[in-house]
Amino acid sequence: DIQMTQSPSSLSASVGDRVTITCRASQGIRNDLGWYQQKPGKAPKRLIYAASSLQSGVPSRFSGSGSGTEFTLTIRSLQPEDFATYYCLQHNSYPWTFGQGTKVEIK
Amino acid sequence: QVQLVESGGGVVQPGRSLRLSCAASGFTFSTYDMHWVRQAPGKGLEWVAVIWYDGSNKYYADSVKGRFTISRDNSKNTLYLQMNSLRAEDTAVYYCAICGVSEDSWGQGTVVTVSS
Repeated sequence: DIQMTQSPSSLSASVGDRVTITCRASQGIRNDLGWYQQKPGKAPKRLIYAASSLQSGVPSRFSGSGSGTEFTLTIRSLQPEDFATYYCLQHNSYPWTFGQGTKVEIK
Repeated sequence: QVQLVESGGGVVQPGRSLRLSCAASGFTFSTYDMHWVRQAPGKGLEWVAVIWYDGSNKYYADSVKGRFTISRDNSKNTLYLQMNSLRAEDTAVYYCAICGVSEDSWGQGTVVTVSS
């Protein structure tokens, strides 16, 4: 099975900050990776698909990059509504696997 | 628009069974692979199972293999998850989801609590 190691597990940031979250795959997964945002009590929402493609309707301050084993989600200028937990998901091979999550909190 | 509505959750004793359903609408159900994803209280997301659009293939997480069975009825636009031999660690919110390239939608989730 492919393991996804996500870091950091949590971070504190201020509105306007640039935030970077990383996922590392235990083996190459091409660009078969998505990034999700989840707010408390809500279902996850996909922000990025195919590692770097912005989901329709998602603000352009979100971006993704990477291929193979190293992937990054960047929030260019953190907004109040961005405080949430973020997960990566590899869909290169079954079983699909999520990263452990990164909780973005207000500093 | 796409709508996914899970049902069938509840409180069940360890070792017992439960069947979850997910009613789909607003899209051509029979053309999409469908997934179950769960989230234990205070924990991260865990992918559980997938069934291909025509039911021809099914894959499971190691943690549920041999105990859970995913199925679908394309004539009823409904996805199922049969959960047998339930354990305390199966306690979670269970989501059905489309996680495709062109479409990614999730239901609101149904809560399963395994407790004596």
